[in-house]
Amino acid sequence: QSVLTQPPSVSGAPGQRVTVSCTGSGSNIGAGYDVHWYQQLPGTAPKLLICDNCNRPSGVPDRFSASKSGTSASLAIAGLQAEDEADYYCQSYDISLSGSVIFGGGTKLTVL
Amino acid sequence: QVQLVQSGAEVKKPGASVKVSCKGSGYRFTGYYFHWVRQAPGQGLEWMGWINANSGDTNFAQKFQSRVTMTRDTSINTAYMELSWLTSDDTALYYCARGSPGGVATGFDYWGQGTLVAVSS
Repeated sequence: QSVLTQPPSVSGAPGQRVTVSCTGSGSNIGAGYDVHWYQQLPGTAPKLLICDNCNRPSGVPDRFSASKSGTSASLAIAGLQAEDEADYYCQSYDISLSGSVIFGGGTKLTVL
Repeated sequence: QVQLVQSGAEVKKPGASVKVSCKGSGYRFTGYYFHWVRQAPGQGLEWMGWINANSGDTNFAQKFQSRVTMTRDTSINTAYMELSWLTSDDTALYYCARGSPGGVATGFDYWGQGTLVAVSS
């Protein structure tokens, strides 16, 4: 059971906008810690997609955006494309776990 | 360009230890944290711990504290993760990742290619 909760799957048609949620608690996202997002294509290492308080990694289209409110965060993908089909993970930091990095369980995005 | 290159796949028996290496290049090795993350087959990402490549300070996830060691050799720009008392549940892809500048709560901007560790009798 991950400390950060993500939906197991989301889907959308090409051109649509989808969002992936990431729900935490007062000891991580709610405490103001940064939330970062990764994309993992099949058979490859995760790739940093969006990071809080850092420059957008080069090559990441501005179709990808992120937001945060209270104890939750969201990743939005606009203008969905076939190559966006991948697993997406959120990551943050939790002060209650002796200062641990935490990941969400991951969300599989299917482009219909 | 920044690269993290990990050691090759390992097959181990239950109860054994495994040591995975991660060589950094294209940047100042001692200026960053190294994190280790594993991914069991068909599962999500699991953070194991970090090492400060400059000081050698470490911090581990509670789950691994009793059986993980993280070290680094600054002379060859290489970080290591050793996991002992292996069981079949440790079968996974093990990744090293570089923490972005700014401390331990930053994103991981570069990742190694992953090292498959298979534990089987």
